[in-house]
Amino acid sequence: SQKIEQNSEALNIQEGKTATLTCNYTNYSPAYLQWYRQDPGRGPVFLLLIRENEKEKRKERLKVTFDTTLKQSLFHITASQPADSATYLCALGQYSTLTFGKGTMLLVSP
Amino acid sequence: SQTIHQWPATLVQPVGSPLSLECTVEGTSNPNLYWYRQAAGRGLQLLFYSVGIGQISSEVPQNLSASRPQDRQFILSSKKLLLSDSGFYLCAWDERGLGSRSGANVLTFGAGSRLTVL
Repeated sequence: SQKIEQNSEALNIQEGKTATLTCNYTNYSPAYLQWYRQDPGRGPVFLLLIRENEKEKRKERLKVTFDTTLKQSLFHITASQPADSATYLCALGQYSTLTFGKGTMLLVSP
Repeated sequence: SQTIHQWPATLVQPVGSPLSLECTVEGTSNPNLYWYRQAAGRGLQLLFYSVGIGQISSEVPQNLSASRPQDRQFILSSKKLLLSDSGFYLCAWDERGLGSRSGANVLTFGAGSRLTVL
């Protein structure tokens, strides 16, 4: 069956460092992959989309890579700030709907 | 600009009682609409999606149902709630035409409805 894995443990980093979150998948051939941010008690907010024929996408301090051979996406936040603390969800898409991972909580300490 | 409204934000219901959650979208027409559930320690689970009025697709068999009586209105219902129905329910919309493998649907979510069944 299709499986999406994100680190279940929270990632703790210091302000100013680069945070790297991982999304691995099995038994899936997504046409695209998305990353969302979710704050406690709120709905997820879209951040970035990367397609299967793209290796890397950037948006301000965010960078996403997509390796369809490794079946993995990495999500980087450079120069992290305490305001970046949230849960980050990856979502894989093919045809009609998205399948979400459980998310990884990021905690950036001052 | 487009906005999505979802209510109620929080509710506590006894087992066996009915449920109605409502979602409306403004500023767009003919959106695709979705209901997701997020239970504690679990990922977002797609419950229903709709590509038009009266068109509902169910992803997970359960005691919930969905209806789309108007173009920008999506309702999640239950006749008798179970303890396992507790969770955070999220409505979302997108504009992508379904059926294209690479046509990416970027979802815009509502603020969510926290349901506790006792």
